[in-house]
Amino acid sequence: GQNIDQPTEMTATEGAIVQINCTYQTSGFNGLFWYQQHAGEAPTFLSYNVLDGLEEKGRFSSFLSRSKGYSYLLLKELQMKDSASYLCAVRDYSNASKIIFGSGTRLSIQP
Amino acid sequence: DTEVTQTPKHLVMGMTNKKSLKCEQHMGHRAMYWYKQKAKKPPELMFVYSYEKLSINESVPSRFSPECPNSSLLNLHLHALQPEDSALYLCASSQATTSYEQYFGPGTRLTVT
Repeated sequence: GQNIDQPTEMTATEGAIVQINCTYQTSGFNGLFWYQQHAGEAPTFLSYNVLDGLEEKGRFSSFLSRSKGYSYLLLKELQMKDSASYLCAVRDYSNASKIIFGSGTRLSIQP
Repeated sequence: DTEVTQTPKHLVMGMTNKKSLKCEQHMGHRAMYWYKQKAKKPPELMFVYSYEKLSINESVPSRFSPECPNSSLLNLHLHALQPEDSALYLCASSQATTSYEQYFGPGTRLTVT
């Protein structure tokens, strides 16, 4: 089976940096995703990690350690529009067509 | 065009009604998905179509019936739904089922009365 854990809620300040952690327990590993979802809207793709290390894309970076079953999403220079849920998801090892989402972290940005 | 469109945006239906949700993409993607999302919960996969063939059915009740008439269109036919089926229904597409990026539509918010 698959289990994905991430904090339920986080708060950060505009202009600051925040790190959202995700741990997963899976029977195999086939890739990890981060999605952003604003309230009432569809998820939008942020990043995909399949190898260990840091992937940087503008203000957002994602890190993966396969041996530790651990990933984080790093958001820099926070803006009010970054208030959203951030979903960690893994690709099912036995069926690559299937993505399993974690419960998401609701991030609130304060002025 | 990197857009997935869904209609209608909102739908209210009784338990005896029959309705359909529609999804369309023109990105040439060959994989399309239906997800169900309850409030403050993550999306849950319902169905996957690959090259217009159903490849995954996540043990979804038969009152939900998917259809892929062509590579750009995906429908979800609804019949005899229950109030607990009220949720946001999201359609997504990707180049292939093993692609790393799925593009989501804005969803249809369904209320079953």
